[in-house]
Amino acid sequence: DTAVSQTPKYLVTQMGNDKSIKCEQNLGHDTMYWYKQDSKKFLKIMFSYNNKELIINETVPNRFSPKSPDKAHLNLHINSLELGDSAVYFCASLGGDQPQHFGDGTRLSIL
Amino acid sequence: AQSVAQPEDQVNVAEGNPLTVKCTYSVSGNPYLFWYVQYPNRGLQFLLKYITGDNLVKGSYGFEAEFNKSQTSFHLKKPSALVSDSALYFCAVRDPNSGAGSYQLTFGKGTKLSVIP
Repeated sequence: DTAVSQTPKYLVTQMGNDKSIKCEQNLGHDTMYWYKQDSKKFLKIMFSYNNKELIINETVPNRFSPKSPDKAHLNLHINSLELGDSAVYFCASLGGDQPQHFGDGTRLSIL
Repeated sequence: AQSVAQPEDQVNVAEGNPLTVKCTYSVSGNPYLFWYVQYPNRGLQFLLKYITGDNLVKGSYGFEAEFNKSQTSFHLKKPSALVSDSALYFCAVRDPNSGAGSYQLTFGKGTKLSVIP
């Protein structure tokens, strides 16, 4: 069973569109994250949620809106997509003192 | 603010030789340190961590890392490299004072390891 699963794996869309990425974890963890990995492989945290509550909100354009319907899910909605949004987006989860578990990423390409 | 430096963009090593991937960190207080590996088109996989205790930490796939407080380093090592070890390696540090939900990892920029047959 996949511990942290993201859908879709690939997302190709046009500038200006709105899209969502979904993430689910079956580990029973309380905390979930979104990271962005750019073309140079640099990994930067975007958001973190703990028990459905937003905890970390780094300097991210407000076109990005995370939503956590329950503690097993953290979705990311992006409005008015721009060329610079092209990246790989990773979801991760954490429980207690365990290491973070990552999903396999969503590769977003903006045409 | 915490930070991590991985001074090498790429490390090349011959199969069977020992490998080292370097990492230095900056954090106030005692650090929590991690190594992750990323294979192509995959997410990050946890290799090992240092929280406290023995400075030599053993992890997955035969990897180990040595914590050196005086040099603020946490270098990743393996005695004998395999071609299958070729991947992108990330060092990360966590602020030990961060609590639940605010537990935030700061990653280095990654080091690409190539093991040559």
